[in-house]
Formats: sequence, structure tokens, C-alpha cells
Amino acid sequence: KAGVTQTPRYLIKTRGQQVTLSCSPISGHRSVSWYQQTPGQGLQFLFEYFSETQRNKGNFPGRFSGRQFSNSRSEMNVSTLELGDSALYLCASSPLGTVDNSPLHFGNGTRLTVT
Amino acid sequence: DAKTTQPNSMESNEEEPVHLPCNHSTISGTDYIHWYRQLPSQGPEYVIHGLTSNVNNRMASLAIAEDRKSSTLILHRATLRDAAVYYCILRDLRGGSNYKLTFGKGTLLTVNP
Repeated sequence: KAGVTQTPRYLIKTRGQQVTLSCSPISGHRSVSWYQQTPGQGLQFLFEYFSETQRNKGNFPGRFSGRQFSNSRSEMNVSTLELGDSALYLCASSPLGTVDNSPLHFGNGTRLTVT
Repeated sequence: DAKTTQPNSMESNEEEPVHLPCNHSTISGTDYIHWYRQLPSQGPEYVIHGLTSNVNNRMASLAIAEDRKSSTLILHRATLRDAAVYYCILRDLRGGSNYKLTFGKGTLLTVNP
């Protein structure tokens, strides 16, 4: 079974631009969640999507948004990029997400650098 | 949110057992204890989880204290490939607004040859 795929692997953007990151979950998994990882803050939960609906949201500003398509693939968008948005963005998939105790399967992330 | 506390770093020798501790004194009755590890340049990888009883799988064992306020991840024979950051996290299956998966800083495990 193919794992969670995140594209692109690396991205360099300029302050003020916007960016879209993509995540393809494991086949059959309906939940996709997104995390931001920085050296200072560690791994922080951004949001979770299940069946094309946002089910949970972390404490991030509205510049961070996402969506999920009918095939469970998900995209995350960050608008008006700030230097502090430089981070590793990880997505994870699981069969049912927050109501299920199945392990989360993580991709290897997209490394975003904002200059 | 219930939080976990782990040592920042630990060191072990290859082929020796490793005991990674985690304190979670404010754990609630619906929190499962999960362990993940993150190897360099990779996303986190699931290791093991449990609720009350000790658990074993092919990767590790999880020992949970009787009062559930602490747990220990046990790697029976450390290998160089086990060098990673290990995260102890609590997952509340009630979901909804209770779902705030918090990873914390984790424990950096160094394995010496």
C-alpha cells in the first residue's frame, strides 16, 4: 500500500505570497490532518478534514486554510506569507480520524521557506 | 488539555534495552497514550499505544503505571536505526473540540555503536 504523499517536498516563497501544499492520503483513509513543525514550537495541529468537511481546527490564524476533495486528497493554503511561516508542514491520514484510535500515518512533509 | 512531560534527551548503547519515560499526571479517563517517533528528515511514525494495560508489538513495549499518570516505552534491543525523537502524546477519542493532538518536544534518543 502506498504511503502518504506530500508535494512538493521543498518550497521557497517570498513574504506576502501565498502557497498551496498537497497531500494524498493512504487509499481508503478518509481523514487528513495537517501539522506545522518548527524548532521552537514543535509539532502543532492545524486542522483535520473528514469527508470533505473541516472537523477540527487548531489555534492558527485564518491565513491558514484547507480543503479536502471527494477522493480524500487534501490541500492546505497559506495566504500572505510571513517569515514565521517557515516550517515543515506535515499531513497525516487515518481511516476515521478523531473518532478512531487507529494510528496516524504521516507523510514526509513539505519544507516551506519564506524569505 | 492534558499534557505530557518527557526528558529532552537520552543515550543508549546498541543492543541494550532503552526505557523512555513519559509523565502525564493530568491524563483523563478517555485519553489513550500513544507513542510516535520521528527519524531525521521524515514524518513521525507510529510506535505503539495503550489505555490501561501494558502492550507489546513488534517494535516496542508500553508499560503503563497503575494510576496512568506515567508510562514507559521500552525498546528491547536498541539499534542505530532507533535513533530518533520519541513523542509521547495523549489522544482523546471524544474528538470534537477535545481533539487537540499535542506532541510536545519529545525525547531525542541517541544510540551509540
